[in-house]
Parts: sequence; C-alpha cells; structure tokens
Amino acid sequence: GIQVEQSPPDLILQEGANSTLRCNFSDSVNNLQWFHQNPWGQLINLFYIPSGTKQNGRLSATTVATERYSLLYISSSQTTDSGVYFCAVDPKETSGSRLTFGEGTQLTVNP
Amino acid sequence: GAVVSQHPSRVICKSGTSVKIECRSLDFQATTMFWYRQFPKQSLMLMATSNEGSKATYEQGVEKDKFLINHASLTLSTLTVTSAHPEDSSFYICSALRWTSSESYEQYFGPGTRLTVT
Repeated sequence: GIQVEQSPPDLILQEGANSTLRCNFSDSVNNLQWFHQNPWGQLINLFYIPSGTKQNGRLSATTVATERYSLLYISSSQTTDSGVYFCAVDPKETSGSRLTFGEGTQLTVNP
Repeated sequence: GAVVSQHPSRVICKSGTSVKIECRSLDFQATTMFWYRQFPKQSLMLMATSNEGSKATYEQGVEKDKFLINHASLTLSTLTVTSAHPEDSSFYICSALRWTSSESYEQYFGPGTRLTVT
C-alpha cells in the first residue's frame, strides 16, 4: 500500500515563529487532506489539496503531485496551534475514497 | 457546514458487555462513512468503510463479528463493539464523506468516543 511519511515528528516553537511541515507519499493520489487534531481529539479539516497551493489565514499548503510531497506552512504561530497535524492521502491505484494517514507532526507552541 | 457528531463522547463498560457508538452527519447526507481507531500517541487506523444500505467493508485484521457496523440511513452509522475486552479500550473516531464535485470529496470527522473496558 501507499506509504505516507511526515516530518518532523515533533516540533517545539515560540509563539510568533513560523514553521513548515512536510508530507511525502509514495504513489499518485486522488485526494490529499491536512488535518489538525486538537488536544481533545477532534480532527479539524485544514486543506483539501491534491495539487497546487491554497491559503487560509495564517496557514497555507502546497502539494507538488509530480514529486509526491505536500507542505503545510504555519506563520506567526499561536498557542492554539498546538496539537497533532496529520496528512492523509487516497491513492489513485485503489478505489473507495479511503484515506491513509501519516504518523503526524506533534506541534507545541509555547507562550 | 459539514458537521459530524458522535455519541457518546466517553463510555466505560465492563468486560463482556456490548457498546454502541453513533455517528451522524448533521448538515449533509453521507452514503459513505468510515470508522477509525486511534491508540495514544499514534495515528488513525482505518477499521471499516460503512456504506448506506449495504454491508460494511472491513480492513484486514479487523474482526467483523466483534465490530458490528450498521449504516441504516444517509445520516447515521453505528459501531457496536460486542463482548468488549480491555484490549478494545481505545479512541474510536468516525468520519463522513462529502462529495464536493463529481470527482472530489472531503472526509469530515466526528469528535471521537473514548472507550474504556474494565
């Protein structure tokens, strides 16, 4: 099956800093989504981005489908950005709209 | 829009009993829902795909007789953990598929159910 690797596994920032999270995947994908899991366990949709670039406030994401990676940028980080960021993909070679998750990046933003 | 609810949020049960978890899409219809399991400090593991009006499709290694899934309507899927044992203790999360075009979709997640089996 498809392999999804996220880096770094852990990231500690001071409030106001910027960061880049990376997601590498081993095969072509139909769907790629970024999620934020808050400390209570709720997954929040950040981006649907199988290709191209999107921005939403302080967050932006870029997926280069031909090179099989996606980047999530967080600017001017805030303590509420803390949590786990997951990348999830749906490979083209299979059907069923099923997402395979990476292991996540644990982000801690200190005041 | 695209809100998914889950109930209960937390449940404690005795070993050998069964527990039912409900997943509802509140503002859209979902012919397809998914059930995931998450252990502490780990990623989400897909357990099964729930299709409205048909049998669920289980991932390899997931016991279908232990984890019963029913998707009786376009807004409700249920997961029943039968004869629960302590090793079934986990965080269970559902998601609902919403098509945004004929070719693209997003999954939206419920808040999760923390199951503790004593």
